[in-house]
Amino acid sequence: RKEVEQDPGPFNVPEGATVAFNCTYSNSASQSFFWYRQDCRKEPKLLMSVYSSGNEDGRFTAQLNRASQYISLLIRDSKLSDSATYLCVVSASGNTPLVFGKGTRLSVIA
Amino acid sequence: DTEVTQTPKHLVMGMTNKKSLKCEQHMGHRAMYWYKQKAKKPPELMFVYSYEKLSINESVPSRFSPECPNSSLLNLHLHALQPEDSALYLCASSPGFHTDTQYFGPGTRLTVL
Repeated sequence: RKEVEQDPGPFNVPEGATVAFNCTYSNSASQSFFWYRQDCRKEPKLLMSVYSSGNEDGRFTAQLNRASQYISLLIRDSKLSDSATYLCVVSASGNTPLVFGKGTRLSVIA
Repeated sequence: DTEVTQTPKHLVMGMTNKKSLKCEQHMGHRAMYWYKQKAKKPPELMFVYSYEKLSINESVPSRFSPECPNSSLLNLHLHALQPEDSALYLCASSPGFHTDTQYFGPGTRLTVL
């Protein structure tokens, strides 16, 4: 089982749609959770950290379910500029660095 | 200033060349990272420096040699690379280690001929 698994893409959605991505992780000792966004031929950029209580930043909502070991990202009212690859990233405890999922490609279409 | 800078942006080199990639951050971060990313794949960790000491080497071939001259700088020395080493090389930094948010530089796009 892969350490971090994400929904296979691509997701092609119209502008204004709501889209949700899920991500599962295998290490129950994982402590930190992030969503990064990566545009084509650019570096990954932090979209948001994910907290146990869930958190929201404008149109973006992240949720963490420790019991089921999954993280979700909800994007409301999709914009063309949301088109990118979304990377689920998890950090376990101990001497282990961040683990990246393979990413989910989102295309928002006019 | 939440910026990580990398130079050069693009690099083309032959298999017998020696070149270096440079990374700099002035956020006071104590951990710095080198990643390699191929097209349509996630970043793949190569090296981690923590407090200027190499703490993780993910079994990277010796033709890649990292160096951390000080807490703000990270270099990656390249020698005798292969065409399959062509990729985007990303540098990142984080305040501490392990669980901290990482901030990425724009990357160096490397082509090995």
